[in-house]
Amino acid sequence: EPEVTQTPSHQVTQMGQEVILRCVPISNHLYFYWYRQILGQKVEFLVSFYNNEISEKSEIFDDQFSVERPDGSNFTLKIRSTKLEDSAMYFCASSPRQGINSPLHFGNGTRLTVT
Amino acid sequence: KQEVTQIPAALSVPEGENLVLNCSFTDSAIYNLQWFRQDPGKGLTSLLLIQSSQREQTSGRLNASLDKSSGRSTLYIAASQPGDSATYLCAVTTNTGNQFYFGTGTSLTVIP
Repeated sequence: EPEVTQTPSHQVTQMGQEVILRCVPISNHLYFYWYRQILGQKVEFLVSFYNNEISEKSEIFDDQFSVERPDGSNFTLKIRSTKLEDSAMYFCASSPRQGINSPLHFGNGTRLTVT
Repeated sequence: KQEVTQIPAALSVPEGENLVLNCSFTDSAIYNLQWFRQDPGKGLTSLLLIQSSQREQTSGRLNASLDKSSGRSTLYIAASQPGDSATYLCAVTTNTGNQFYFGTGTSLTVIP
């Protein structure tokens, strides 16, 4: 069964550095998402992306964050000037369409540790 | 803002028992509700999706129900097995369909 693939599985970075988290969504999916889960907390929505542009973003997704689909397969999340509180599990997800009958398919996540 | 609550936070049952996990949400204007399973250090695996117009969905030993007007859903697991041990999350979408709001999950342990 097709899967959402995320790399790396674990990233350690120093405070103030920039990181890029990478995702390969399922190939025929059109909607892409980033979520994060701080240890012990809820999974939180960051951003959704469709047709090469952001369709919705949460208040968490400020100017520190950006997303890109640089080619036909990859979907990236860039975090600039990382802070300690950015340490979390970051999940990429995709769905074939939007709305009422669109299950989300998640990747296994990238654990980001900011030291 | 949509708030999703799950109770209990943790549950431990002996193998073979039937069990019910509960999910409640504050805003009934949802598109759909999805139940996920999360194993430690792993991503989320979709179990069942219920559209807002539906009352329940079944997959194998799992049955999810939805009472949209009262803002509640339950996940029923029949004849539990040790392999069912995981954290179970429910999530609802807003009417835009873009953003899922997640609960904090129920950590299930099935004792052999």
